[in-house]
Amino acid sequence: EVQLLESGGGLVQPGGSLRLSCAVSGFTFSSFAMTWVRQAPGKGLEWLSAISSSGDKTNYADSVKGRFTVSRDNSKNTMYMQMNSLRAEDTAVYYCAKDLGYSFGQPYYYMDVWGKGTKVTVSS
Amino acid sequence: EIVLTQSPATLSLSPGERATLSCRASQSVSSYLAWYQQKPGQAPRLLIYDASNRATGIPARFSGRGSGTDFTLTISSLEPEDFAVYYCQHRINWPRTFGGGTKVEI
Repeated sequence: EVQLLESGGGLVQPGGSLRLSCAVSGFTFSSFAMTWVRQAPGKGLEWLSAISSSGDKTNYADSVKGRFTVSRDNSKNTMYMQMNSLRAEDTAVYYCAKDLGYSFGQPYYYMDVWGKGTKVTVSS
Repeated sequence: EIVLTQSPATLSLSPGERATLSCRASQSVSSYLAWYQQKPGQAPRLLIYDASNRATGIPARFSGRGSGTDFTLTISSLEPEDFAVYYCQHRINWPRTFGGGTKVEI
């Protein structure tokens, strides 16, 4: 069974940092791109970042570019999101998600399996 | 950044009725659009990818169509478990974006 488990969320002061982890099992992690998505309380989904299967390609939403960094360790079956300079508007549930697969040799960057999410609260 | 506009914001229907949800893109996304379903307290679930392909395990009552800037998700006959929020998402360029969602309520 494919499983994704986020961790590392919590309460942090504005300007602080957190590192989220996404540990996966049940599939060949190194073969799939991965994505982070967040959802602020009572709001819709916000796409944040994606990373290729090898980790050599990353992309970000403008709202987090320069503050958040996505990475992965394929030997540990884990993806990370380093979040710096956190703001109140970063308060959300953060989901990691597995890519659907490949289309004509390129990742879809659609998300077919999701974790349950980890909550991040930025507040003084 | 491509803006996806979903309409209506809320759709009030009864079980057995047909639901038609719209997603309009601010510029062409070709057929590179997906639909997700999210129930309260749960992670989203992929329903449709590349406009019209059902994801694994998705019932045939869910169908998608469209290309360019206008897309539709249709639920042919609503089951009680279909009452949820639905989001569209494109993959034509970076950054990917989601629409604001349509809530299908009883």
